[in-house]
Amino acid sequence: GAVVSQHPSRVICKSGTSVKIECRSLDFQATTMFWYRQFPKKSLMLMATSNEGSKATYEQGVEKDKFLINHASLTLSTLTVTSAHPEDSSFYICSASRAGVDEKLFFGSGTQLSVL
Amino acid sequence: GQSLEQPSEVTAVEGAIVQMNCTYQTSGFYGLSWYQQHDGGAPTFLSYNALDGLEETGRFSSFLSRSDSYGYLLLQELQMKDSASYFCAVRDTPVGTDKLIFGTGTRLQVFP
Repeated sequence: GAVVSQHPSRVICKSGTSVKIECRSLDFQATTMFWYRQFPKKSLMLMATSNEGSKATYEQGVEKDKFLINHASLTLSTLTVTSAHPEDSSFYICSASRAGVDEKLFFGSGTQLSVL
Repeated sequence: GQSLEQPSEVTAVEGAIVQMNCTYQTSGFYGLSWYQQHDGGAPTFLSYNALDGLEETGRFSSFLSRSDSYGYLLLQELQMKDSASYFCAVRDTPVGTDKLIFGTGTRLQVFP
């Protein structure tokens, strides 16, 4: 099956610093990747759609200057949380699909961000 | 607005059958999917319904009624490892975008 790799799995940082999270599709090309945020025992909230070679599409209420998304290649998307604050602490998950193959989304293992 | 409602928690015993419901209200509808997520893990795909009716995959079955904006996931012969959160998700834009809106999730606890 398709594999999506996400790194790091856990990061602790000081308030005011920036954190970059990588999402890679290992055995397929993903023209579109999605970034979700999840609070404990809550649903997955779509933050943005990452499109290879173009600007990301952000959901309403998500600050594009706070959450920078870059989709530089067909296998890599990155999410950078800039000037992180404690309220940004959350579980961030990426996903990708094999467009035109099936309806499944394949998820990375997630990144637990803790901002002190 | 968009909403997908699921019961927050369901409990059952090993070997039993459990049904988890999902009612949705979205601007568009192009299919209902189900995902399983264990604590701290990544969601994994279980099932997909584009048309009305029942889809069966081993112990898992998923049902859709578009006229009722309703679907459910049925798990048979429950096992301890089935304890997890289950999310329904709607594709609210045409095929090709793969953007999903996730439901509130149902936490299933299976007891011996």
